[in-house]
Amino acid sequence: NAGVTQTPKFRVLKTGQSMTLLCAQDMNHEYMYWYRQDPGMGLRLIHYSVGEGTTAKGEVPDGYNVSRLKKQNFLLGLESAAPSQTSVYFCASRTINGTSGSSTDTQYFGPGTRLTVL
Amino acid sequence: AQSVAQPEDQVNVAEGNPLTVKCTYSVSGNPYLFWYVQYPNRGLQFLLKYITGDNLVKGSYGFEAEFNKSQTSFHLKKPSALVSDSALYFCAVRLLWAAGNKLTFGGGTRVLVKP
Repeated sequence: NAGVTQTPKFRVLKTGQSMTLLCAQDMNHEYMYWYRQDPGMGLRLIHYSVGEGTTAKGEVPDGYNVSRLKKQNFLLGLESAAPSQTSVYFCASRTINGTSGSSTDTQYFGPGTRLTVL
Repeated sequence: AQSVAQPEDQVNVAEGNPLTVKCTYSVSGNPYLFWYVQYPNRGLQFLLKYITGDNLVKGSYGFEAEFNKSQTSFHLKKPSALVSDSALYFCAVRLLWAAGNKLTFGGGTRVLVKP
């Protein structure tokens, strides 16, 4: 299994441009998440999904949109990029099988996408 | 609301010495607590978690963490640090019934183990 993969690994945008980050997982996980990582601020949740066709806002959703058309994919879109969106973006997934707190109660992370907005 | 604090931005330790990375949390309810590690240019990797039961939790790579309810802490420890333990460490918390099982992360602590 490849686990959680992210495309692209790096990207440079100009202010106002748009782009989509792709997250794919081959573990048949129900839940998927998008985080951004900024120095000293840890990871902050942007949006998440508890299943195909459903999405919900996280802690910092403004300026981002997401879609979960297929169970294995979770897309993060920036419609009009701003320099404040310069960050490293991580996708994660987890299963809901098993009881909460069991060995399955773990998020699996992708390698990240480094985005710079000029 | 739930929050996590990692009071140290960086911890320096000599190889072979004990390593401690501090974490305190604030939640209204019983917490699930996690430690993740991030090596350079990589995603986060799960180290260990506390759900219930024994306050001392053992995890990967010789790490352990102690849950202290009265002090609302969950410090990560390793008896003898290795140079390869140099990485960024994140503490995280969630509540049992958090929507989407969302995690709240601390700001991270960079660990530098010197030979």
